[in-house]
Amino acid sequence: IVMTQSPLSLPVTPGEPASISCRSNQSLVDNKGYNCLDWYLQKPGQSPHLLIYLASNRASGVPDRFSGSGSATDFTLKISRVEAEDVGVYYCMQTLQTPLTFGGGTKVEIK
Amino acid sequence: EVQLVESGGGLVQPGRSLRLSCVASGFTFDDHAMHWVRQVPGKGLEWVSGIGWSSDNIAYADSVRGRFTISRDNAKNSLYLQMKSLRPEDSALYFCVRDRNSFHFYGMDLWGQGTTVAVSS
Repeated sequence: IVMTQSPLSLPVTPGEPASISCRSNQSLVDNKGYNCLDWYLQKPGQSPHLLIYLASNRASGVPDRFSGSGSATDFTLKISRVEAEDVGVYYCMQTLQTPLTFGGGTKVEIK
Repeated sequence: EVQLVESGGGLVQPGRSLRLSCVASGFTFDDHAMHWVRQVPGKGLEWVSGIGWSSDNIAYADSVRGRFTISRDNAKNSLYLQMKSLRPEDSALYFCVRDRNSFHFYGMDLWGQGTTVAVSS
């Protein structure tokens, strides 16, 4: 499964909203009706960490300004009000089938 | 503390072998499937391999199948990656990663700091 993210780079203004798109070349809905799509953030110099699982569920400790939406082949990660600490590279990843595949990443930076 | 600590990386010649290890602490290791994910510096993430809690569910990326072998020892809270016939394109930072689920692969909720593998003559 091929995962395509856009944009590649996203300059943002603190306090403003931001949105990242992730598309797959086939549906990510499993036989239980779950959308098998996760979002990760890799801050500069750090390992990635989980933000959103199953398309719309925030991982433990993730601020509620982060939200995930979408279904089947079209998904979105939204940050309601960007903070300086949100800079880094955001990745989507499908877990419907192996090989698990990541999107190419979206680099979020402060304007 | 809940953590994953990788080791075993290093500089190796093409065609040689290397074994990576990962020790888990602070959680029940056999409650989770585990993965190896790699990243070339400055590039994106590539899933390498995953293994279910009982080792019955194992999968590999096409790029490493037949050369790499994933395994785990639940008694030692450890995950391994045996890498053979290494190629320069295998050079990367290798992360040990915990899955949210025990058998199926449902996403990665804990990452180690990584161990670096460099394949060069």
